[in-house]
Amino acid sequence: AQSVSQHNHHVILSEAASLELGCNYSYGGTVNLFWYVQYPGQHLQLLLKYFSGDPLVKGIKGFEAEFIKSKFSFNLRKPSVQWSDTAEYFCAVLSFGNEKLTFGTGTRLTIIP
Amino acid sequence: NAGVTQTPKFQVLKTGQSMTLQCAQDMNHEYMSWYRQDPGMGLRLIHYSVGAGITDQGEVPNGYNVSRSTTEDFPLRLLSAAPSQTSVYFCASSYSTSGQHTEAFFGQGTRLTVV
Repeated sequence: AQSVSQHNHHVILSEAASLELGCNYSYGGTVNLFWYVQYPGQHLQLLLKYFSGDPLVKGIKGFEAEFIKSKFSFNLRKPSVQWSDTAEYFCAVLSFGNEKLTFGTGTRLTIIP
Repeated sequence: NAGVTQTPKFQVLKTGQSMTLQCAQDMNHEYMSWYRQDPGMGLRLIHYSVGAGITDQGEVPNGYNVSRSTTEDFPLRLLSAAPSQTSVYFCASSYSTSGQHTEAFFGQGTRLTVV
């Protein structure tokens, strides 16, 4: 069964700091990978996704993520965070041929002005 | 575009009551899912459907029923509410193209409190 681990539960950064949130998954076959963001009181929105091709994917609002197959990882990065990036971030995996999207437990990001 | 619409947005139930959370999507997506979100546990899949007339259990199905009579609608029924079902519920839809699943589109959520 597929599973997703997000080891950072709560990250606090100052504005303009660089961000990296970890995501590891456990399925050994072909996977589709996603990062979602949930702003306070809102629903989940897609930040970026990886299906195939270039392992470095760029998403909205300056976010990017790198798929490293050998490490089963899909870490999210942003070179310079803003106060408006305060939100909860979820990594998710969908293994090929499986209709069940599995989420990690989420990382709460707090940006201090 | 309405996307995925959930009703109600908020609900308070007494233990033992039943209710139905509604979910509708207007994007003609074949896949629909229900998740619950609890602090520190992320989103956990309750039930999902790969098309009208086809449903299956997710990770935490106990206490919930679903049906999918049309492509658009995927209601979630709580048969006898329990305080452990206090949560935020999200409905999502998605489709596949060339065998690849797309991202899930989420509704605004239903915050349910069982007292």
